[in-house]
Amino acid sequence: NAGVTQTPKFQVLKTGQSMTLQCAQDMNHEYMSWYRQDPGMGLRLIHYSVGAGITDQGEVPNGYNVSRSTTEDFPLRLLSAAPSQTSVYFCASSYYGRDEQYFGPGTRLTVT
Amino acid sequence: DQQVKQNSPSLSVQEGRISILNCDYTNSMFDYFLWYKKYPAEGPTFLISISSIKDKNEDGRFTVFLNKSAKHLSLHIVPSQPGDSAVYFCAAREQNSGGSNYKLTFGKGTLLTVNP
Repeated sequence: NAGVTQTPKFQVLKTGQSMTLQCAQDMNHEYMSWYRQDPGMGLRLIHYSVGAGITDQGEVPNGYNVSRSTTEDFPLRLLSAAPSQTSVYFCASSYYGRDEQYFGPGTRLTVT
Repeated sequence: DQQVKQNSPSLSVQEGRISILNCDYTNSMFDYFLWYKKYPAEGPTFLISISSIKDKNEDGRFTVFLNKSAKHLSLHIVPSQPGDSAVYFCAAREQNSGGSNYKLTFGKGTLLTVNP
């Protein structure tokens, strides 16, 4: 049982490049979310999903796309990276109605 | 506008003493509150939670107190241990979140250092 896994751990992009941050969970959780954490800030919700085929926007969705084709995977796409997207990105998952949200180890992204 | 505020960026306590981490919120629609702990280079891990219908929840060394009228909650760690040194995030969920905890609003966090 690997929990929530995220790849890559580190990434450097140039402005305008695109990439996909991968997130997978093997706990059969219905809910998955993406957060970003900036220095001196709390975690801010980017997008979330309540099940396969269903996604919605969080607090800071601009510049990011998501899809949920399977229960296990919830990739986050940056279509045209900008320096303002330099951050640490966390993926999380949980069962419906449970307190505990499991977080992945994070992806540290730098956009130059 | 920050809806969940942790006004102390850092806190330092001696091993064995009590650690008290504070959190204030402004959104009266919040009905569930959680504390997460985060070590460097790791994702946050759930610590303890409390529903707005309670004023206290305890789990081992960790106790969370909620004062709804003051829109304030606090996390008490007794006794504090060096392994408790981490960033602690307060988070809150709105009533219309459908009973799940996937849509949370986080505070900025408080760095707790427990000195041996």
